[in-house]
Amino acid sequence: AQKVTQAQTEISVVEKEDVTLDCVYETRDTTYYLFWYKQPPSGELVFLIRRNSFDEQNEISGRYSWNFQKSTSSFNFTITASQVVDSAVYFCALSEAYIIQGAQKLVFGQGTRLTINP
Amino acid sequence: EAQVTQNPRYLITVTGKKLTVTCSQNMNHEYMSWYRQDPGLGLRQIYYSMNVEVTDKGDVPEGYKVSRKEKRNFPLILESPSPNQTSLYFCASSLSGGKGYEQYFGPGTRLTVT
Repeated sequence: AQKVTQAQTEISVVEKEDVTLDCVYETRDTTYYLFWYKQPPSGELVFLIRRNSFDEQNEISGRYSWNFQKSTSSFNFTITASQVVDSAVYFCALSEAYIIQGAQKLVFGQGTRLTINP
Repeated sequence: EAQVTQNPRYLITVTGKKLTVTCSQNMNHEYMSWYRQDPGLGLRQIYYSMNVEVTDKGDVPEGYKVSRKEKRNFPLILESPSPNQTSLYFCASSLSGGKGYEQYFGPGTRLTVT
């Protein structure tokens, strides 16, 4: 069954440190999509990135980078030179389809609460 | 501004008193969905809708109803709320119901059932 595991429940680092959030997934599909969302203290969900299963290129966006490895079913997220504003809960999610209906099904991990201390 | 709106944002109610949480999107999206967020469980899908008059159950549909009479609206109905439905609820929409389309989330509704 499809599943997303974020083993790190909470992480706390000092500002300017690099931090990596782990995400491991399970799926039957050969075509699937992976997402990361950020939930700041205000509560909304902010889309960060989408990756499809055929594109294993790492991606960098400013201080954010993502490492997708199909061989280990992982899609890890690294923040370089962390800042206090990065403090949030981060969710990894997997999108595949309901078998019968064909509709997308977004399965979320449990989330990792990241605290950046000044 | 393209957005998903939910109302109310906060609600405290008592067991058994029917309530509706509204959700509306202005992006002409076909797909809409409801999730609940609980500590340690992440977000779990309650119901989804592929288009007008087409709805189906997600992973945790018990105790909830939905309807999709108009493309822009997707209300979540709790006919007889119970304390285990205390949670943070998110409505989301995407252009299509196919997998991989980015879902846009509303601001969330924090519900407390006493």
